[in-house]
Amino acid sequence: AQTVTQSQPEMSVQEAETVTLSCTYDTSESNYYLFWYKQPPSRQMILVIRQEAYKQQNATENRFSVNFQKAAKSFSLKISDSQLGDTAMYFCASTDPTSGTYKYIFGTGTRLKVLA
Amino acid sequence: DSGVTQTPKHLITATGQRVTLRCSPRSGDLSVYWYQQSLDQGLQFLIQYYNGEERAKGNILERFSAQQFPDLHSELNLSSLELGDSALYFCASSVGAGQGANTEAFFGQGTRLTVV
Repeated sequence: AQTVTQSQPEMSVQEAETVTLSCTYDTSESNYYLFWYKQPPSRQMILVIRQEAYKQQNATENRFSVNFQKAAKSFSLKISDSQLGDTAMYFCASTDPTSGTYKYIFGTGTRLKVLA
Repeated sequence: DSGVTQTPKHLITATGQRVTLRCSPRSGDLSVYWYQQSLDQGLQFLIQYYNGEERAKGNILERFSAQQFPDLHSELNLSSLELGDSALYFCASSVGAGQGANTEAFFGQGTRLTVV
């Protein structure tokens, strides 16, 4: 079964600094999609960034960027110029192409705290 | 606002009872997904419906069932509730079912279920 692993349960970063959250996944497929979701205390799931596996170029969204290493099955999230509002749980997720659906497989999350 | 509406936002009920969670997908989305998030855990896929028909099933208990109606809203029925069923239940919707490039799922704000 497809798995997504986030090995950092908790992280902290000083305001305005840069932090990288790690994610690895396991799939034998070549075409899939990867996501980072942010879950603030409100519990809303907010899409941060998306990467299509067939695209070599790393996705970026303002202060958020990914380092997608397809061969290594790694998909890390870099947050630049961290802000207090970035404090949240961050979940890495992958589509499961073997299922024929767009269900997501989620990692267990990384709790990020931005310190003033 | 993702456009996905879940009701109720909070639900407190006793063990052994039955509850129904409701989800209205974004306008135009045909797929609805249900996820369960237990305390400080990642999201676990329960079930997907596409245009009224069950499309994929995850680790959904036999005590749980779901359906999608002709107007595309979906309901998740949880019966014989146990303390361990306390969780945040998310609904998500997407345009497609599992093919093509449009993979993004939009999440509702979740229903927090507390079983006492």
